[in-house]
Amino acid sequence: DAMVIQNPRYQVTQFGKPVTLSCSQTLNHNVMYWYQQKSSQAPKLLFHYYDKDFNNEADTPDNFQSRRPNTSFCFLDIRSPGLGDAAMYLCATSKTLRERKDTQYFGPGTRLTVL
Amino acid sequence: QQQVKQSPQSLIVQKGGISIINCAYENTAFDYFPWYQQFPGKGPALLIAIRPDVSEKKEGRFTISFNKSAKQFSLHIMDSQPGDSATYFCAAIKRKAGNMLTFGGGTRLMVKP
Repeated sequence: DAMVIQNPRYQVTQFGKPVTLSCSQTLNHNVMYWYQQKSSQAPKLLFHYYDKDFNNEADTPDNFQSRRPNTSFCFLDIRSPGLGDAAMYLCATSKTLRERKDTQYFGPGTRLTVL
Repeated sequence: QQQVKQSPQSLIVQKGGISIINCAYENTAFDYFPWYQQFPGKGPALLIAIRPDVSEKKEGRFTISFNKSAKQFSLHIMDSQPGDSATYFCAAIKRKAGNMLTFGGGTRLMVKP
């Protein structure tokens, strides 16, 4: 089945130790998004890629970086995780940026714990 | 400033009852309104969506009602089931600004057997 896959599902890291979260998709979608979702809150968009074009949200901390080496894969790098970065990280995809009825498909998320 | 306001924050409904979740938006540039359902430990999944030129859309037990003049829309879940227990997010999209979702704050629904 076509889908959005996130690995790992659970990640534990230490304060200040770099961590990388992975997302892959078999939907062949052009756009990939990364969201941060804290407990009992709505997902918050960090950035997105349209093909290789990277778009950062204005309030995304510099501590968060992303890479998209090809259409199928996208990575979220947290350079120096703080306790406040503990959250669920969601990857999503969409075929385009502007077509009607073309909304986003989410992966299952990676739960990040910072010790 | 929260651009999409969602209420209630939590909702308890008896099995077989109707669950109603309301959303209101400020920006008239929004032109597409999806609803997402999220189970604990899972990513949000698209449930149903509506365009602002349509007043109602129904898919199975789920119905969106849309009031463009009031800038409000709501999700009705008919014959609510315990399996519907989840968090529901309304969202709004401005197509001209890209496919970015502006989420409401979420409603945690519990359907009691």
